[in-house]
Amino acid sequence: DSGVTQTPKHLITATGQRVTLRCSPRSGDLSVYWYQQSLDQGLQFLIQYYNGEERAKGNILERFSAQQFPDLHSELNLSSLELGDSALYFCASSVGDSNSPLHFGNGTRLTVT
Amino acid sequence: GENVEQHPSTLSVQEGDSAVIKCTYSDSASNYFPWYKQELGKRPQLIIDIRSNVGEKKDQRIAVTLNKTAKHFSLHITETQPEDSAVYFCAASMWGNTGKLIFGQGTTLQVKP
Repeated sequence: DSGVTQTPKHLITATGQRVTLRCSPRSGDLSVYWYQQSLDQGLQFLIQYYNGEERAKGNILERFSAQQFPDLHSELNLSSLELGDSALYFCASSVGDSNSPLHFGNGTRLTVT
Repeated sequence: GENVEQHPSTLSVQEGDSAVIKCTYSDSASNYFPWYKQELGKRPQLIIDIRSNVGEKKDQRIAVTLNKTAKHFSLHITETQPEDSAVYFCAASMWGNTGKLIFGQGTTLQVKP
């Protein structure tokens, strides 16, 4: 067990809907990263937060947003969902904002129908 | 931007044989190269990593080599066992934000008993 908790494990929703994915980092970790894993795009970095602030951005769509709360948990919001958004969404955490190994959660599998 | 190419996409070896997976990166500024193992339906797990100031690193049956001039790095697994069967991902990032990883497309390794 990595210590990174993601909920829910599975999510099935319809096109056009909005969902929220939740992540609690390992105890003591200040950085949270979101990654998307799909069959055609592989593992892609979406966004990083460090101690409540956005630190780095990847190929995150404008329909997606995230935040990190004072208790360091993070939420990834996906709106106006499309079929192509179906994927496994991983959260990872690390101690610092740089130069620390990532510890991945077990992921949330999103299915858009 | 950075691009990481990984080969082969599938690899089948006999138990006890060695397995080699190769990756090439495009951004010469990349200087941190981790390898992740992902079993079916599970999270990616860091198995070994290397920084650009090191040419080789070993951890029991696993080793990684880096050729900065050629911009490629490789994972070597010796004395393979059936439990080594999984998808292996290489990745690259810059020291300073090692969590912002660019992943290769993955190699499915099958170790036949």
